[in-house]
Amino acid sequence: GESVGLHLPTLSVQEGDNSIINCAYSNSASDYFIWYKQESGKGPQFIIDIRSNMDKRQGQRVTVLLNKTVKHLSLQIAATQPGDSAVYFCAENKAQAGTALIFGKGTTLSVSS
Amino acid sequence: GAVVSQHPSRVICKSGTSVKIECRSLDFQATTMFWYRQFPKKSLMLMATSNEGSKATYEQGVEKDKFLINHASLTLSTLTVTSAHPEDSSFYICSARDEGHSGYTFGSGTRLTVV
Repeated sequence: GESVGLHLPTLSVQEGDNSIINCAYSNSASDYFIWYKQESGKGPQFIIDIRSNMDKRQGQRVTVLLNKTVKHLSLQIAATQPGDSAVYFCAENKAQAGTALIFGKGTTLSVSS
Repeated sequence: GAVVSQHPSRVICKSGTSVKIECRSLDFQATTMFWYRQFPKKSLMLMATSNEGSKATYEQGVEKDKFLINHASLTLSTLTVTSAHPEDSSFYICSARDEGHSGYTFGSGTRLTVV
């Protein structure tokens, strides 16, 4: 079936570095994308979202880039901190009422001091 | 912001018993809620979509008689794992969308261990 996937299962960076986490999606009908952060034993925490009519959106220390041509989504974290260590998932759906999010495989980000 | 409360956070039960997990939207109404299951080091897998006042929609491969979903009000959905077995042990997470705002809010999850 169609799903959203991540390129790398793990990413290790030094504190202060910029992190880039990638995601490829296959459902061309998807028009809404979200990045979530999940810490061990907790539910996913919203980071940032983007709709298909945009190619870039910035938040506090985070930027999401959307390339619809190659169906690619990325999350950039600036000045990565140890508290950013977690599993990151991209999720997608069609932005209509009642539809669920479909999650990618996740990337574990480890930040060392 | 929108808050979803999930209870219990962890539960241990004996094989053959049933366990009920509650998911509440605290400050908004949710006509639709979603239930996910997550195995260790894996992603969230959608189990079913819970619809207020009507039957849930289950994903392929999810046994509806095994995982009973009830969405009796606009703020509460429950998932009951019936006749639980050790293979049902997992992390269960609910989600709801506040239609007045973008984004989905997730509960904190329930760690179910069947012994």
